[in-house]
Amino acid sequence: QQPVQSPQAVILREGEDAVINCSSSKALYSVHWYRQKHGEAPVFLMILLKGGEQKGHEKISASFNEKKQQSSLYLTASQLSYSGTYFCGLTGGTSYGKLTFGQGTILTVHP
Amino acid sequence: DTEVTQTPKHLVMGMTNKKSLKCEQHMGHRAMYWYKQKAKKPPELMFVYSYEKLSINESVPSRFSPECPNSSLLNLHLHALQPEDSALYLCASSHPGTGNGYTFGSGTRLTVV
Repeated sequence: QQPVQSPQAVILREGEDAVINCSSSKALYSVHWYRQKHGEAPVFLMILLKGGEQKGHEKISASFNEKKQQSSLYLTASQLSYSGTYFCGLTGGTSYGKLTFGQGTILTVHP
Repeated sequence: DTEVTQTPKHLVMGMTNKKSLKCEQHMGHRAMYWYKQKAKKPPELMFVYSYEKLSINESVPSRFSPECPNSSLLNLHLHALQPEDSALYLCASSHPGTGNGYTFGSGTRLTVV
């Protein structure tokens, strides 16, 4: 079942912050986050395993709330290079190797 | 080498043609994947290979035939495709298991005429 992302689109000025949410109606094992720029391959940002951990990657971090079956991606002090479509991807514990992506959130950062 | 290489980058084929898409990685990843992506949509899983064996087929029509000749190569054989099969076909690889991120290739943009 496809995870649900919100919002569908975000427009920011450089230096502003954004939060992208990802939720599922099914139990989660891991949450992946990817960024895809137009005409390019999706690029892996980070993965969170069940356990409610939070991870950071420079100014991009994420949390995973196993009980709520939600993950959130936090982008702080956004840069022009952050523009692109962000996808969360979920795996269930019984779905070995099956990564299902959300519909994506289009992030646009303006100068 | 931290890349997944896909060839060709662009392909135009007729509905009666037979063609193949190729994917190669040298990162020692033992899981490889084919995804299909339509414009403004997320990638959709087609096939998963784990240790060179097909482990997941997402009910893909038989006109798509995957092949994994060895741990570094993944092919997708195409035959008698329909115009609605036109899309970006992405290959990805990872270490097996659900705790590892995927490395995607830049894809093959396929147009069926």
